[in-house]
Amino acid sequence: NAGVTQTPKFQVLKTGQSMTLQCAQDMNHNSMYWYRQDPGMGLRLIYYSASEGTTDKGEVPNGYNVSRLNKREFSLRLESAAPSQTSVYFCASILGTGSYEQYFGPGTRLTVT
Amino acid sequence: GENVEQHPSTLSVQEGDSAVIKCTYSDSASNYFPWYKQELGKRPQLIIDIRSNVGEKKDQRIAVTLNKTAKHFSLHITETQPEDSAVYFCAATSGTYKYIFGTGTRLKVLA
Repeated sequence: NAGVTQTPKFQVLKTGQSMTLQCAQDMNHNSMYWYRQDPGMGLRLIYYSASEGTTDKGEVPNGYNVSRLNKREFSLRLESAAPSQTSVYFCASILGTGSYEQYFGPGTRLTVT
Repeated sequence: GENVEQHPSTLSVQEGDSAVIKCTYSDSASNYFPWYKQELGKRPQLIIDIRSNVGEKKDQRIAVTLNKTAKHFSLHITETQPEDSAVYFCAATSGTYKYIFGTGTRLKVLA
């Protein structure tokens, strides 16, 4: 049982490049999340998927797109990376249906130069 | 929009003393309030949580209290130890499963 996994662990992009961050969970959870964490800003919600087939914007969705590929996988895409997107990105999931505990992945450290 | 304010941003205590971190939320529909501990370079990990139908919950040296009328909740750590040093985050969510986090408190326990 790997829990929540994320790839890659580290990534350096040049301004304007695109990339997709991958997230998968093997706990049969219904809801999945993408956060970014910047120093002094805490965790800010980018997008979330309350259930398979649905996605909703969080606090800071601009510059990002998401895909809930299936129940297990939730990807985050940066179409044209900007230095302001330099951050640590965490994926998380919850079972839902009354169970609210969030399980986090190990994070992806992204630097945009 | 929804907001969670967390105070203080940094907190230093002597080993063995108590630490208290406070959060205030704005969405009156919020019904679940977790607290996470994050060590340097690691992922956030849940340490305790409370639901809106409960006023207090305790787990060994850690407790959380909730005041729904005032829309605030607090984390209490007693008999602090050096390994309690970390960043602590509060969060709030309603039945929509959308979580809003506080900005974090860096706790330093001085030996």
